[in-house]
Amino acid sequence: EIVLTQSPGTLSMSPGERATLSCRASQSVSSRYLTWYQHRPGQAPRLLIFGASSRAAGIPDRFSGSGSGTDFTLTISRLEPEDFAVYYCQQYGSSVYTFGQGTKLEIK
Amino acid sequence: EEQLVESGGGLVQPGGSLRLSCAGSGFSFRNYWMHWVRQAPGKGLVWVSHINSDGSSVSYADSVRGRFTISRDNAKNTLFVQMNSLRAEDTAVYYCVRAPRWSYYFDQWGQGTLVTVSS
Repeated sequence: EIVLTQSPGTLSMSPGERATLSCRASQSVSSRYLTWYQHRPGQAPRLLIFGASSRAAGIPDRFSGSGSGTDFTLTISRLEPEDFAVYYCQQYGSSVYTFGQGTKLEIK
Repeated sequence: EEQLVESGGGLVQPGGSLRLSCAGSGFSFRNYWMHWVRQAPGKGLVWVSHINSDGSSVSYADSVRGRFTISRDNAKNTLFVQMNSLRAEDTAVYYCVRAPRWSYYFDQWGQGTLVTVSS
């Protein structure tokens, strides 16, 4: 089973700043199968990025995904107040779906 | 509006059973794969089970295989999971999740239903 490790565990930033979140896989992941979600407290998780770099419908262009192989990145170019949440990466491989442990993006 | 609404959660004793349901609306339910994903208190997201669009193919996480059974009724736009032999570690919010066919990401999530396994 592929293990996804997200870093940092918590990221303290201010609105307007640029945030970079990392997701590292224990073995190579097809970019097609790498996804990012946002999870705000009390809400359902929301699809942000699929296929490593494709934004889901309705997602602002300040969110971007990149990477390949074992290293993937979610970048939020200019943080808005509503962006402070927990972010998860997720992959599919060998009939199993796994999530990273999450990065909490908090207001500094 | 596309919606997934879970129901059936609650408190159950260890070793007990529970059946969760998820009603889909606002989209063509029969054309999507469906999943259950759970989140234990204070923990991250964990995939539980998958069923394809016509119910002919299912898969499970190792932690629930043999105890949970996923199914669907496309005529009623409803997804189910029968959970047997429940353990304390099954305590979690269970999310009903939609996936486009032949994709491996989740594009629509329900609000979740809480299952608590405790004596």
